[in-house]
Amino acid sequence: NAGVMQNPRHLVRRRGQEARLRCSPMKGHSHVYWYRQLPEEGLKFMVYLQKENIIDESGMPKERFSAEFPKEGPSILRIQQVVRGDSAAYFCASSGSGQGITGELFFGEGSRLTVL
Amino acid sequence: GENVEQHPSTLSVQEGDSAVIKCTYSDSASNYFPWYKQELGKGPQLIIDIRSNVGEKKDQRIAVTLNKTAKHFSLHITETQPEDSAVYFCAASMTGGGNKLTFGTGTQLKVEL
Repeated sequence: NAGVMQNPRHLVRRRGQEARLRCSPMKGHSHVYWYRQLPEEGLKFMVYLQKENIIDESGMPKERFSAEFPKEGPSILRIQQVVRGDSAAYFCASSGSGQGITGELFFGEGSRLTVL
Repeated sequence: GENVEQHPSTLSVQEGDSAVIKCTYSDSASNYFPWYKQELGKGPQLIIDIRSNVGEKKDQRIAVTLNKTAKHFSLHITETQPEDSAVYFCAASMTGGGNKLTFGTGTQLKVEL
């Protein structure tokens, strides 16, 4: 299966801990997007990255959240000092095209974060 | 920024009937409109999309229509089956927006036997 791979699928953290969510895009894709889905809500855009570059982080909270997509390895969404309101499903998507072209986004199965 | 509204939030139909879900968007620059199906505990899966240069697209039992003037688009599912039960999301994006999708709030479709 060469789809978008996310791990962990489920993550439980206590308030104040750090959460790291990983995403490997589809083979051949170099554009990665992170979305957050709160319970019974739609998906909200967080950040768009290409290798070693953050292209658009307009949906990222100003504090505690960061994302990277290094030259080698998966994209990582990092949440520091988690609070209960961070409990959500975090979805990664990838695309083979980016700026200037509208293309399909392929989503992973998500990482479900629960903050106790 | 773009705002996408979706209706209804829940929809219950009898097996074999048709289901229609409607969305409106606010930004006339949007030109790509995908529809995603999300089953419980899974990620959204693209089921059909339409670009602004066409008014209708069909794929077997699924069709999407787009009215650029009114800024609304709709998903039509005919001959519904129990496996169509899921949450459906519409979305919109625009060229130059880096494929950043703005999603509707979702429609829970239930197909009853």
